[in-house]
Amino acid sequence: KNQVEQSPQSLIILEGKNCTLQCNYTVSPFSNLRWYKQDTGRGPVSLTIMTFSENTKSNGRYTATLDADTKQSSLHITASQLSDSASYICVVLSRGYNKLIFGAGTRLAVHP
Amino acid sequence: KAGVTQTPRYLIKTRGQQVTLSCSPISGHRSVSWYQQTPGQGLQFLFEYFSETQRNKGNFPGRFSGRQFSNSRSEMNVSTLELGDSALYLCASSPGGEGDTQYFGPGTRLTVL
Repeated sequence: KNQVEQSPQSLIILEGKNCTLQCNYTVSPFSNLRWYKQDTGRGPVSLTIMTFSENTKSNGRYTATLDADTKQSSLHITASQLSDSASYICVVLSRGYNKLIFGAGTRLAVHP
Repeated sequence: KAGVTQTPRYLIKTRGQQVTLSCSPISGHRSVSWYQQTPGQGLQFLFEYFSETQRNKGNFPGRFSGRQFSNSRSEMNVSTLELGDSALYLCASSPGGEGDTQYFGPGTRLTVL
């Protein structure tokens, strides 16, 4: 069964600290993996998208990694800001079916 | 370029009624996908339209249907509403290629009483 699991479910960190969010998937065949940020009451916004051959990709203070062998990805946020408070959703595209499979998300709260 | 727009933003209906939601994609985008988001289930894929044809479909009952017009605008219809249909309905547009980034609209918040 195609699944995307994220951990932790929620996370509280202090402003300025770093954090890492995890994503494990069992989607096959794999096409690409995306990380989205969703602010409360808004639609998700794409942060990164990685294909099978890419190990790491950065977008400002966000760095995503992908290990296609272990089917794991992580999103590292550096020097967190209050505006980073949001849900972070890991999404895997299943090749052939062209269907996106969503993780449940990690709810991040950055406190001053 | 204007982003993805969805109308209405908020909607309140009663059980048994039907509802139509609208999505206008980014200019030039030919793919529109619809998603349902609930606190308990997260984001779930409903269907995708590309060039007026349904290209992919999720695991939702037939009460959920959609269509896409020649200008790529899309509508989603839910008939015989149930309480469990209360959710945020998001649409996302992309140029249409498999690796293309999807751009989401703000969503329509549907409440079924």
